[in-house]
Amino acid sequence: EDQVTQSPEALRLQEGESSSLNCSYTVSGLRGLFWYRQDPGKGPEFLFTLYSAGEEKEKERLKATLTKKESFLHITAPKPEDSATYLCAVWGGATNKLIFGTGTLLAVQP
Amino acid sequence: DAGVIQSPRHEVTEMGQEVTLRCKPISGHDYLFWYRQTMMRGLELLIYFNNNVPIDDSGMPEDRFSAKMPNASFSTLKIQPSEPRDSAVYFCASSFGGGGNTIYFGEGSWLTVV
Repeated sequence: EDQVTQSPEALRLQEGESSSLNCSYTVSGLRGLFWYRQDPGKGPEFLFTLYSAGEEKEKERLKATLTKKESFLHITAPKPEDSATYLCAVWGGATNKLIFGTGTLLAVQP
Repeated sequence: DAGVIQSPRHEVTEMGQEVTLRCKPISGHDYLFWYRQTMMRGLELLIYFNNNVPIDDSGMPEDRFSAKMPNASFSTLKIQPSEPRDSAVYFCASSFGGGGNTIYFGEGSWLTVV
């Protein structure tokens, strides 16, 4: 069964304090791993798609990496506006649909 | 460009009433998804359509839930009769192509059943 687990559930950082969020997955035939950002009262906003182990993508202070078992979302020198819930999802071959983890709630304090 | 449009944004209804949620996908997208989000279970896929045809409805909780897509630009999710445990945020999403292509979400319909 395709599964996604995110850790930690919540993370509090000081502005400028870099850290990483983890997404571990078990899936039959990965067809894509997605990172989304969700602000309170809003729908998930697409950030990145990764397709194969070793792939990396960057956007401003965010960098996503992928191995055969997990993905990391690295946040460099975060700002308060980076505070949000970050969701990881995988599109697996067995289920042929997008399965989400439960997210990491990130709070960046000034 | 317009994103995925959902209505209503907020709905409060009494137990036993019928609820209809509406969605307009991004123009040109051929996949449409309905998700439900709760604190306990996170984002769960309820059903998805490809070219207006339901492909997988295994996530629909029970017969009280039904979804239709009469054309490429409109879909509905109906709950009849509604129950308090149906209270959640319901998201519609769409993509061009399935299997690994990016899915774009609407802002959600916040449903409260009292």
